[in-house]
Amino acid sequence: EVVLTQSPGTLSLSPGERATLSCRASQSVSTSYVAWYQQKPGQAPRLLVFGPSTRATGIPDRFSGSGSGTDFTLTISRLEPEDFAVYYCQLYGGSVLTFGGGTKVDIK
Amino acid sequence: VQLVQSGAEVKKPGASVKVSCKASGYTFTNYHIHWVRQAPGQGLEWLGIINPSGGSTKYAQRFQGRITMTRDTSTNTVYMEVGSLTSEDTALYYCAREATEAPRGNDYWGQGTLVTVSS
Repeated sequence: EVVLTQSPGTLSLSPGERATLSCRASQSVSTSYVAWYQQKPGQAPRLLVFGPSTRATGIPDRFSGSGSGTDFTLTISRLEPEDFAVYYCQLYGGSVLTFGGGTKVDIK
Repeated sequence: VQLVQSGAEVKKPGASVKVSCKASGYTFTNYHIHWVRQAPGQGLEWLGIINPSGGSTKYAQRFQGRITMTRDTSTNTVYMEVGSLTSEDTALYYCAREATEAPRGNDYWGQGTLVTVSS
């Protein structure tokens, strides 16, 4: 069973800054099946990026995904006020979903 | 595209709960449905998957034996039933779709169903 570990647990940044979120898998995984989600309080998760670098429909280009093997990254180039939320990485595509523990991006 | 879930439930320990997820706006049999839950203040936990086309299922190992997923293709609805509830099952339960061909993550989610287990 693959375990996904996200770091840091909390990222305190200011609007306009760059956010770099990490997701590490316990073993090498297929790059094609890594995704990232944003979740705000009281809302369902929202798909941001999959595959691991294809943005979902309607997602701004300040969000980008990258990585391979065991290390994956979500980058938000310039934080907007609406980007302060919790972010989860995920493995999908093999009948089983695996989620990381999440990274909270909050306002510094 | 919409996934609309049934309303909040309050159950006593030991009881069962059945949550529905009604799909619309797409071809029901072209997308698997996953169930994911989120305990208060916690992360996302996968429960299982159902293929609406043939009805096949796969459940997370820790829920084997007390979770059942079914579907009704006449109403484009998927159901998840969890039995032997304890307070640890108190959570927000979500359904989410995933394309059967060329998976690309869970692009649509239900609004969530709050299940509270309390004596």
